[in-house]
Amino acid sequence: DTGVSQDPRHKITKRGQNVTFRCDPISEHNRLYWYRQTLGQGPEFLTYFQNEAQLEKSRLLSDRFSAERPKGSFSTLEIQRTEQGDSAMYLCASSEGSRRQGQPQHFGDGTRLSIL
Amino acid sequence: GEDVEQSLFLSVREGDSSVINCTYTDSSSTYLYWYKQEPGAGLQLLTYIFSNMDMKQDQRLTVLLNKKDKHLSLRIADTQTGDSAIYFCAENNNDMRFGAGTRLTVKP
Repeated sequence: DTGVSQDPRHKITKRGQNVTFRCDPISEHNRLYWYRQTLGQGPEFLTYFQNEAQLEKSRLLSDRFSAERPKGSFSTLEIQRTEQGDSAMYLCASSEGSRRQGQPQHFGDGTRLSIL
Repeated sequence: GEDVEQSLFLSVREGDSSVINCTYTDSSSTYLYWYKQEPGAGLQLLTYIFSNMDMKQDQRLTVLLNKKDKHLSLRIADTQTGDSAIYFCAENNNDMRFGAGTRLTVKP
């Protein structure tokens, strides 16, 4: 399978702990996106990378959130000092080409985070 | 509120056509998309349309775009039980903005 891969699929942790998620995009895609999806809502944009450069961050991405894509391939999203409100599905997507060209984004199956 | 709006629920009988509607706000959006999400899964790209087109057909799927009214629709012909899912409309100018999704239920 050469689609977008996310790990883990599920993460349960206690409030205050740090968590890290990984995303492996489709190999030839230079753009990688992170979204958050809560129940009954569509995905909300968090941040995106072109190659290794993080080009935009949403105001939803508080100081506790950090994302990296060190070699322009896989990406990690870390949440520090997790809070109840961080419980959500975290989706990764990738695309090729320019963002303004509107190349379709292909999504992984997400990581569901539950904060106890 | 959402920039992209969709009705939340649609129920149809197997074999009927389904029409899912969406309105968007950014007239400069260059592409509009339809995604499908099944329980516990990510979003699957179904189809997309460039803003200078008014219709696109792909097997059982027909997308209609009324740019003047900023209205997008997805028609699924001969709807099957496997089509039951949540369908998201999305617009893309700089950011990808999604609607809240329409839950399609197909009754046998």
